[in-house]
Amino acid sequence: GAGVSQSPSNKVTEKGKDVELRCDPISGHTALYWYRQSLGQGLEFLIYFQGNSAPDKSGLPSDRFSAERTGGSVSTLTIQRTQQEDSAVYLCASSRDSTSNQPQHFGDGTRLSIL
Amino acid sequence: SQELEQSPQSLIVQEGKNLTINCTSSKTLYGLYWYKQKYGEGLIFLMMLQKGGEEKSHEKITAKLDEKKQQSSLHITASQPSHAGIYLCGAPSVQGAQKLVFGQGTRLTINP
Repeated sequence: GAGVSQSPSNKVTEKGKDVELRCDPISGHTALYWYRQSLGQGLEFLIYFQGNSAPDKSGLPSDRFSAERTGGSVSTLTIQRTQQEDSAVYLCASSRDSTSNQPQHFGDGTRLSIL
Repeated sequence: SQELEQSPQSLIVQEGKNLTINCTSSKTLYGLYWYKQKYGEGLIFLMMLQKGGEEKSHEKITAKLDEKKQQSSLHITASQPSHAGIYLCGAPSVQGAQKLVFGQGTRLTINP
């Protein structure tokens, strides 16, 4: 597609529920990133996928967070047993590849609110 | 770990005035990215700087990278209402890293 597409744009759920956030990267981009943006913490890296390599999960805040990237394209970020501190905007980005001279292009994000 | 500090945190300028936003790193910079964000939207890529002394311009926005000072500046000339938003700088956490760390952002308001 023309840009990174994320869905849903907004998600409100009750504490303790599981949520799935979807990211469709720019066509042809092999690298995909998830970030989280919250008022107190700013923009934080969560996880990074590059082709068929093992993902870099070093930014995931707890084992309640997981992500998959099927077929090297669409990615799903799953948060299990959501907590109020999970409320944030979750941003996905993609880049052509993982070399350092490729900028990351961001989607509009999913605004997650935990009641 | 790498930390980026932006200054000022917020800025209000009159339309037509010039302004500068700074991004200072706690460690050696291995590239620097500038993004703009509007409320409810994602980050829009502005410019990427890779080498010390590098300077890039796009329309009325110019960015420079000073490796020695571990700092980058973003300068807007003759500001317009369309320049309003939050400006974020980002940099690789370590050399060759793909994950970026970001500054806390600078909120720019343009008054007519």
